[in-house]
Amino acid sequence: DAGITQSPRHKVTETGTPVTLRCHQTENHRYMYWYRQDPGHGLRLIHYSYGVKDTDKGEVSDGYSVSRSKTEDFLLTLESATSSQTSVYFCAISDSTSGLTYEQYFGPGTRLTVT
Amino acid sequence: QKEVEQNSGPLSVPEGAIASLNCTYSDRGSQSFFWYRQYSGKSPELIMFIYSNGDKEDGRFTAQLNKASQYVSLLIRDSQPSDSATYLCAVNIRRGSTLGRLYFGRGTQLTVWP
Repeated sequence: DAGITQSPRHKVTETGTPVTLRCHQTENHRYMYWYRQDPGHGLRLIHYSYGVKDTDKGEVSDGYSVSRSKTEDFLLTLESATSSQTSVYFCAISDSTSGLTYEQYFGPGTRLTVT
Repeated sequence: QKEVEQNSGPLSVPEGAIASLNCTYSDRGSQSFFWYRQYSGKSPELIMFIYSNGDKEDGRFTAQLNKASQYVSLLIRDSQPSDSATYLCAVNIRRGSTLGRLYFGRGTQLTVWP
């Protein structure tokens, strides 16, 4: 497995509380991503990072913020959790030595339930 | 129009058969193409990628790319029950200055029955 860990792996929280999910990599990859996966929607990109302190929005970024202060860590924050943010969250990393392919490798996922 | 479309399935094949999974994409600027396998309750796992027209083989798996017709497929030969999973197609599309973003299809669920 690529050296990617996510914490926590499971979390139950209440509506309105802030939540932070952490992704940690040991591969020194430049790109990091946060996705959510829901039945009927597949994988949807929330935010991604193309370097330390360089981040950009994905297709479902509302209600989420991210930070990347070190190459190895990418944090996803739900400022005020809502029930619609109940989902499985995956972190992914990628890089390319050829400039042709950017295959992504996924972490084990975090199952978040907002009650 | 979504960037990546997959036949949603489910696809069911007998053990030992060839399973064929298809994917079409809309952006002709797409550069590279990926197949992931995802078991229930697990994270997506990269099986293969391809970026040149034609076939690429890896064991029982063959990826086929046809850029003129904008489709990519995955063939699984001698299918096994352990191949039962959801298969995700993903496309790397260059937009702006960043190259590293993938666009995923919704996945095709494959069941291989003994």
